Amino acid sequence: EVQLVESGGGLVQPGGSLRLSCSASGFTFSSYAMHWVRQAPGKGLEYVSAISSNGGSTYYADSVKGRFTISRDNSKNTLYLQMSSLRAEDTAVYYCVKGAYGDTCFDYWGQGTLVTVSS
Amino acid sequence: QSALTQPPSASGSPGQSVTISCTGTSSDVGGYNYVSWYQQHPGKAPKLMIYEVSKRPSGVPDRFSGSKSGNTASLTVSGLQAEDEADYYCSSYAGSNKLRVFGGGTKLTVL
Repeated sequence: EVQLVESGGGLVQPGGSLRLSCSASGFTFSSYAMHWVRQAPGKGLEYVSAISSNGGSTYYADSVKGRFTISRDNSKNTLYLQMSSLRAEDTAVYYCVKGAYGDTCFDYWGQGTLVTVSS
Repeated sequence: QSALTQPPSASGSPGQSVTISCTGTSSDVGGYNYVSWYQQHPGKAPKLMIYEVSKRPSGVPDRFSGSKSGNTASLTVSGLQAEDEADYYCSSYAGSNKLRVFGGGTKLTVL
């Protein structure tokens, strides 16, 4: 059974930093691109970041470029999102998501971890 | 403002069919056959319902179908059931610069 378990969310002040982790199991983690998608309270889904299966390629939405860093440790089956210079508008549930069908869609989502940026 | 445009709400009675549209541009929906649809119940993570415009993952009822014409993709739910009441989001590949875009979501109500 595929499982994606996020951790690391919490309350942080504006300008602060936070690192999210996503522990993956039930599939060959090193064979799949992985993604982060977020959802602000009561709002829709927003695509945040992606990383290729071997970590060699990364992508960031304009809204987080230069502030967030995605990485992965295939030996630990873990995906990360390092977030810095956090803003109130970064407040959201962050989902760890597995790419599928040639990375054309997302077939498994974690339960999400809430990041709240507030003073 | 989301990159893809969906109606904010849709509704239908049990047993009826409802179609949700998702309009993009030639740079996303119209340019690639990589439109997917996700169902999200309150407080839950999204679930993949349709991928590559019209394909259903294993376990998704055949009441759910997808199609595309030009820059607009559509999700049709036939034989509406109470458990279909949820938010639905479309997503499309958008090229190497934007990678993925989402619609703003449609709240489907089963009357």
